[in-house]
Amino acid sequence: SQTIHQWPATLVQPVGSPLSLECTVEGTSNPNLYWYRQAAGRGLQLLFYSVGIGQISSEVPQNLSASRPQDWQFILSSKKLLLSDSGFYLCAWTQRVGGELFFGEGSRLTVL
Amino acid sequence: AQSVTQLGSHVSVSEGALVLLRCNYSSSVPPYLFWYVQYPNQGLQLLLKYTSAATLVKGINGFEAEFKKSETSFHLTKPSAHMSDAAEYFCAVTSPGATNKLIFGTGTLLAVQP
Repeated sequence: SQTIHQWPATLVQPVGSPLSLECTVEGTSNPNLYWYRQAAGRGLQLLFYSVGIGQISSEVPQNLSASRPQDWQFILSSKKLLLSDSGFYLCAWTQRVGGELFFGEGSRLTVL
Repeated sequence: AQSVTQLGSHVSVSEGALVLLRCNYSSSVPPYLFWYVQYPNQGLQLLLKYTSAATLVKGINGFEAEFKKSETSFHLTKPSAHMSDAAEYFCAVTSPGATNKLIFGTGTLLAVQP
């Protein structure tokens, strides 16, 4: 069966510090991978998606970047965090048919 | 472009009462529609999905939704609310294709009163 893992689950970072959130998917090959951010009262905002290794599409210009070094690995990064980067970050995957996304447990980032 | 509107950011029902969460979509192509549930500090779990088969879709935990093209709606219902149904619910839309990007509504927080 397929599983998705995200870490860390919680982190508190000072403004201006770097960020790295990691997501891995097991039990499937060539998944589409996604990073969403959830802010209070604003639903889920799609940040990045990837249809293959090294292929990243950005949905919203911002202070963040994403990379996919392996088929099963998706990383969200920032060189210098802003207060507005605080939120709940969710990684998700899907196969190219069916359409539903399968989500990880999320990473809560607080920037102080 | 596709979009989803969820009417009512907060809904409160009594235990045993009908649950109705509203979702309207906008899509220039035949949509795929989804309902997800999120418990505090957790990821999203799929409740049900519509992918152009039967218009009445049954999901987990006794929930169901009906796709109504004429009304561009995909409302979520459950005949009898349970305390464990208290959570946030998200409606989402996409269309079949290589990227399968889901566009989410802003969510409805369901409270269940004893």
